Amino acid sequence: DAGITQSPRHKVTETGTPVTLRCHQTENHRYMYWYRQDPGHGLRLIHYSYGVKDTDKGEVSDGYSVSRSKTEDFLLTLESATSSQTSVYFCAINRGSDTEAFFGQGTRLTVV
Amino acid sequence: RKEVEQDPGPFNVPEGATVAFNCTYSNSASQSFFWYRQDCRKEPKLLMSVYSSGNEDGRFTAQLNRASQYISLLIRDSKLSDSATYLCVVLMNTGFQKLVFGTGTRLLVSP
Repeated sequence: DAGITQSPRHKVTETGTPVTLRCHQTENHRYMYWYRQDPGHGLRLIHYSYGVKDTDKGEVSDGYSVSRSKTEDFLLTLESATSSQTSVYFCAINRGSDTEAFFGQGTRLTVV
Repeated sequence: RKEVEQDPGPFNVPEGATVAFNCTYSNSASQSFFWYRQDCRKEPKLLMSVYSSGNEDGRFTAQLNRASQYISLLIRDSKLSDSATYLCVVLMNTGFQKLVFGTGTRLLVSP
């Protein structure tokens, strides 16, 4: 299995609180992604990174920010959690173009 | 229009049946194509890449039709363990490579 881990795996938080999810890889892959998965929507890209300090927005980036200060870590922050951000969050990595992506095990986030 | 579209199913088939899924994509500049499998409450995992010439891996066959912009997955001799959601994934390069996922097709194989 690809060396990619997400933490925490489960979290319950209150509306209005900040939350940070961590994705850690040991593969030295250049590209990292954060997706959320909701029923009826499939996987939707939140943010992605193409290198250290190089990040950009995906299709559902509102309310989220990311940081990548090291190749191995990609952090996703919900600045002020809302109930609509209750979801399963997946991190993915890949080496480059034309290559498959490997996913972390997911983080199940509930905002109450 | 969604960039990648799939029939959500579910497809209910008996063991031993042959089942086919299709997926269409909107961006003709798409570069690479994949099928992923996702089990309930688990992460997606690569099932197979899809090549222009078509490719086969055991009971699974993937086809790509660039002219019509669709991808197919054929599963022969279905097993109970094939029950899962199958995600069509397209790698698009619009200045930056981007993996775009279909919503998935659910397959239920029954005894």
